[in-house]
Amino acid sequence: DTGVSQDPRHKITKRGQNVTFRCDPISEHNRLYWYRQTLGQGPEFLTYFQNEAQLEKSRLLSDRFSAERPKGSFSTLEIQRTEQGDSAMYLCASSVNREDEQYFGPGTRLTVT
Amino acid sequence: EDQVTQSPEALRLQEGESSSLNCSYTVSGLRGLFWYRQDPGKGPEFLFTLYSAGEEKEKERLKATLTKKESFLHITAPKPEDSATYLCAVLSSNYNTDKLIFGTGTRLQVFP
Repeated sequence: DTGVSQDPRHKITKRGQNVTFRCDPISEHNRLYWYRQTLGQGPEFLTYFQNEAQLEKSRLLSDRFSAERPKGSFSTLEIQRTEQGDSAMYLCASSVNREDEQYFGPGTRLTVT
Repeated sequence: EDQVTQSPEALRLQEGESSSLNCSYTVSGLRGLFWYRQDPGKGPEFLFTLYSAGEEKEKERLKATLTKKESFLHITAPKPEDSATYLCAVLSSNYNTDKLIFGTGTRLQVFP
């Protein structure tokens, strides 16, 4: 399968713990995006990379959130000191060019107890 | 502010009963409009991209159209396997951002 992959698929953590998610984009895609989706809502943009450069961050991305894309390949999204409001599906997407469709991975479902 | 509104929120159809989903958008210029299908617990699956008013795309029982203010996803003779949430998203012509702005989706249920 050559689609976008995400790991883990599910994560349950206690409030205050740190969590890290990984995304592997489609191999020839140089743009990588992170979105967050809560029940009954559409995905909301968090941040995106072109190669290894982080080009935009949403106001949703508080200082507890950090994302990296070393060497322009896979990306990680870390949430520090998790809160119950962080419970959501975290989606990764990738594309070739800025006007092209974005292909999404299966998502990581985070539950903060 | 850029905004996307989808209607109806939910739609129940009998198998074979054709219908349309609506996506209205307000953006400062449009670079692209995208339709996705999302099954429960999964990531969105890309369906169509539309770039300019008057453009149409088709795939099996689905047809997407675009005007200057809205897009329609027409479903012809739907089957139970078409049951899913259909999401619409826009890419504005503000070149300072490449984020997709999504609507809240239409939950479609098709009964045999």
